Parts: sequence; structure tokens; C-alpha cells
Amino acid sequence: DAGVTQSPTHLIKTRGQQVTLRCSPKSGHDTVSWYQQALGQGPQFIFQYYEEEERQRGNFPDRFSGHQFPNYSSELNVNALLLGDSALYLCASSYGLAGRTDTQYFGPGTRLTVL
Amino acid sequence: GESVGLHLPTLSVQEGDNSIINCAYSNSASDYFIWYKQESGKGPQFIIDIRSNMDKRQGQRVTVLLNKTVKHLSLQIAATQPGDSAVYFCAEIYNQGGKLIFGQGTELSVKP
Repeated sequence: DAGVTQSPTHLIKTRGQQVTLRCSPKSGHDTVSWYQQALGQGPQFIFQYYEEEERQRGNFPDRFSGHQFPNYSSELNVNALLLGDSALYLCASSYGLAGRTDTQYFGPGTRLTVL
Repeated sequence: GESVGLHLPTLSVQEGDNSIINCAYSNSASDYFIWYKQESGKGPQFIIDIRSNMDKRQGQRVTVLLNKTVKHLSLQIAATQPGDSAVYFCAEIYNQGGKLIFGQGTELSVKP
């Protein structure tokens, strides 16, 4: 049973560039959430996708956008990168609309470095 | 505001001893709590969860205790092993929102 997978594992960009991160949920899961984890901190919620729609959003600017595909996989896009966007980006998957089941399983993350 | 805090940022224990990691949460409306383990360079790994209608739940070598009166959560690890060395996060969900609120984490170091 495949767990949550993310690609790429590492990425280096320069300020002002755009980046796309990808996530495939655990088999049987249909909900994807994205988190940003700065070094030494706990993950911070970015947004959640279910049925190809953004269902919830955390306190992140519009430079952060996402998409969910019919196969439940998801992308996170960040435009106009800032140095402060350097972090580990985590994808978590779960089953069902938020509230019916809450256990979220995380992928290994994508380490983004902005120079 | 939203916060899930941890009492101790680091914990060092001897191999074979029991470990207790504590967590305080601020939102009395929280209805679901999860403990995650995160090893260096990896994503958080689910350990155990508990709902607000319970006060104790046991897994394999781990026990989570929930005290809603004082809004306190703890993770007990029995017979701690070197492989348990990692950062442990508690996280909460409230209002069935699906958004996990994480604390800063406690780093557990197991001495052989």
C-alpha cells in the first residue's frame, strides 16, 4: 500500500521565481492538505483540497495556490518566491470531507531553498 | 489565538526508561488530538490519536492521556529505544475543520 508521495525531494530557486510541488495521496484517500514547516518549527497549515476545490485556507498570501486533480493528486504553486519561503513543504492526505475523519498521513516533504 | 504548546523543548532519557512528553492546548473546542513523530529529514509519522470524548488511549508501547479540565495532553512511551529519538509534535483539530494546529515540538534523545 503506497503511502503519500511527494516530488521533488529537494528544490533550489531564486527570489522572484515560481515553483510547483506535487503530491500523490495515500491509496484510498481523497483529501489533500498542504503544510509549510520552517526549520525548528511545527508545520503550518496552508490549504486543503477536496473534490478538486479548496475547502480551507490558512494564513498564507495569494502567492500560494493549489490544485487537485480528478485522481486526487495535488499541486502547490508558489509565485514570486521570497527568501522566507524556504522551508519543508509537507503534503498530508486523509479520507473524506473534513470532519468525518481526521487522521492525516504525511509525505516525506519537499525541501525548498530560495536564494 | 490558536496555539498548541509544549512544556519542554528537549527531553533526554536512558534507553529502557519510560518517556513522557507533555502538551498544552488552548482551544477548549478541540475535539481531536494526534501525536506525530518526525525524524530528521522526514515527514511527520502518525503515532496515536485520541478524541475529546476519551481520556486515555493505548497503542503499542505508547499511551496518550487527555485531561480536558486543564487542557493537557501527554504521550507516554514505554521502554524507550534509540529508534524513538526524534521530534514529537502534538496537533489538534477543532470545529471539525480538518486543519491541524501543531505545537513547536519536543526533541526526544535516547541515551544508550
